[in-house]
Amino acid sequence: GQQVMQIPQYQHVQEGEDFTTYCNSSTTLSNIQWYKQRPGGHPVFLIQLVKSGEVKKQKRLTFQFGEAKKNSSLHITATQTTDVGTYFCAGPKSNYQLIWGAGTKLIIKP
Amino acid sequence: GAVVSQHPSWVICKSGTSVKIECRSLDFQATTMFWYRQFPKQSLMLMATSNEGSKATYEQGVEKDKFLINHASLTLSTLTVTSAHPEDSSFYICSAETSGRAYEQYFGPGTRLTVT
Repeated sequence: GQQVMQIPQYQHVQEGEDFTTYCNSSTTLSNIQWYKQRPGGHPVFLIQLVKSGEVKKQKRLTFQFGEAKKNSSLHITATQTTDVGTYFCAGPKSNYQLIWGAGTKLIIKP
Repeated sequence: GAVVSQHPSWVICKSGTSVKIECRSLDFQATTMFWYRQFPKQSLMLMATSNEGSKATYEQGVEKDKFLINHASLTLSTLTVTSAHPEDSSFYICSAETSGRAYEQYFGPGTRLTVT
């Protein structure tokens, strides 16, 4: 069946270093969404990408949607402690349900 | 806008009892609500999809008789965990989809259920 793979599972970075998480779908997606979940919290919608090759920026966050609309990435430049959390990608199934990636946990090294 | 609330935020119950969790969309009408379960350090797992006024659609492996879902109005869905057991202890999160915003979901804050 349809799958959404996300890597890496964890990424440890020093504060100020960059962070990237990658999402790959087994099928072409009409759109892809990214969510952030802070420790102990619930997922918060960040962005939705719709167009092939689309690139969107939110301050230090850069989101990309692949040309084939099967992969996506989230890149954070110069991480800060407020960036800590788990980042999930999600793609739509039929009937507007979402299939979630496993998430990438961003950990800032002390 | 697009605020979803859940009640209670946490609950402890004894094994064998039932627990009801409410999910409300506060400032919009939710044609569809979703119930997720999240185990520690794992991704969200969709349990069921509910549309207002109709029966919920359960994902494979989710017992419909154990996890009763009622979507009585466009702003309220409830999940009842019947005859709860310790293995049902988990973080339950609901989300709501607003009509006109395809695939964009707004999440409730979650309910931590602990069954002793």
